[in-house]
Amino acid sequence: AQTVTQSQPEMSVQEAETVTLSCTYDTSESDYYLFWYKQPPSRQMILVIRQEAYKQQNATENRFSVNFQKAAKSFSLKISDSQLGDAAMYFCAYRSANSGYALNFGKGTSLLVTP
Amino acid sequence: DAGITQSPRYKITETGRQVTLMCHQTWSHSYMFWYRQDLGHGLRLIYYSAAADITDKGEVPDGYVVSRSKTENFPLTLESATRSQTSVYFCASSELAVSIDTQYFGPGTRLTVL
Repeated sequence: AQTVTQSQPEMSVQEAETVTLSCTYDTSESDYYLFWYKQPPSRQMILVIRQEAYKQQNATENRFSVNFQKAAKSFSLKISDSQLGDAAMYFCAYRSANSGYALNFGKGTSLLVTP
Repeated sequence: DAGITQSPRYKITETGRQVTLMCHQTWSHSYMFWYRQDLGHGLRLIYYSAAADITDKGEVPDGYVVSRSKTENFPLTLESATRSQTSVYFCASSELAVSIDTQYFGPGTRLTVL
């Protein structure tokens, strides 16, 4: 199974500042999908952003963007203009395009946003 | 639009008892999934279903049973609950499995086995 690693158990950012959450993955496949999910204290899993591996252009969703480095197997999430509501656990996830149906999740990064 | 719902939201049971967690989705998605979330592990797939009457094992299936007689429902049964099955359980659904199609998650069920 592919391994997803989030090396930062906790991160902190001040309101209005920018923060980057790291994610690396291990795979021998060339075609796959990557996701960032947000889990606030309510426990609801919310999709933040997604990226197809065959696309060179980095995905962007409003204040959220990714830095996808396929050769380095890196998929970091950048949150700009951080807001108090961004405080949550963030999970990076991998899914093969050719085999299996599961999302393989990292262990998560807890993001604290301070006023 | 209810989306995907799970019941109960919280459950306390005792070792050896059978317990069923319910999952219902209103989108008519073909694929449904059960994950468990444990501290330090992220989410791990227990079972998934590609359509009614089609199910298959995920990464951690032992001790669990699933069924899917209707497209919209995907119950998860712990036949004889053990303390190691104390966890938060998430149901998810998606229209397609092998594409960029997103998996949408239910609110989760926190299960405690005493």
